[in-house]
Amino acid sequence: GAVVSQHPSRVICKSGTSVKIECRSLDFQATTMFWYRQFPKQSLMLMATSNEGSKATYEQGVEKDKFLINHASLTLSTLTVTSAHPEDSSFYICSARYLGDYGYTFGSGTRLTVV
Amino acid sequence: TQLLEQSPQFLSIQEGENLTVYCNSSSVFSSLQWYRQEPGEGPVLLVTVVTGGEVKKLKRLTFQFGDARKDSSLHITAAQPGDTGLYLCAGALGGNYQLIWGAGTKLIIKP
Repeated sequence: GAVVSQHPSRVICKSGTSVKIECRSLDFQATTMFWYRQFPKQSLMLMATSNEGSKATYEQGVEKDKFLINHASLTLSTLTVTSAHPEDSSFYICSARYLGDYGYTFGSGTRLTVV
Repeated sequence: TQLLEQSPQFLSIQEGENLTVYCNSSSVFSSLQWYRQEPGEGPVLLVTVVTGGEVKKLKRLTFQFGDARKDSSLHITAAQPGDTGLYLCAGALGGNYQLIWGAGTKLIIKP
């Protein structure tokens, strides 16, 4: 149980375009989801906390207008990278807290490459 | 600033050897989790420790939570090539559900 499905797993886009990444909780309701960015060989960096039905909370240094987060239902959160640039290329991962296990379940990640 | 210092950051050992990874902080955590991550995948939860002094075993992996709930260790006995991966510790401060992440330990087990 406690599966989070993240799509797409890989995406290549042109500079200036926007990319949407979806995260769905398949067998539980996720009132809160977390969006992370991970650089090669490094740990996870929290970008924002997504709350169902309300505005996301962004970490310091993360541009709200560039990384749009929508959490419209208890099972779906989306991250849209707007006007993508090559420096936005990274591995993006979502997660949700699984209340029954004191743990967090993670999506499989999205490798974004902006060319 | 809440920090979780994880060491070593890189470890390469021969199959059959033992190893220990440490996570230390000045913060008290309500729980601490250990994850393993494969390249191109999201982290997978290995264990959660909640009680100070708690010890949990998962086959050849032994996890310990410090008495003061500020530190934790992961010990692997007789490491196998299949143990290769990135190991991450993450502490929960409670309430807001956010995790404080260690820098990760890249573990390579050579056959």
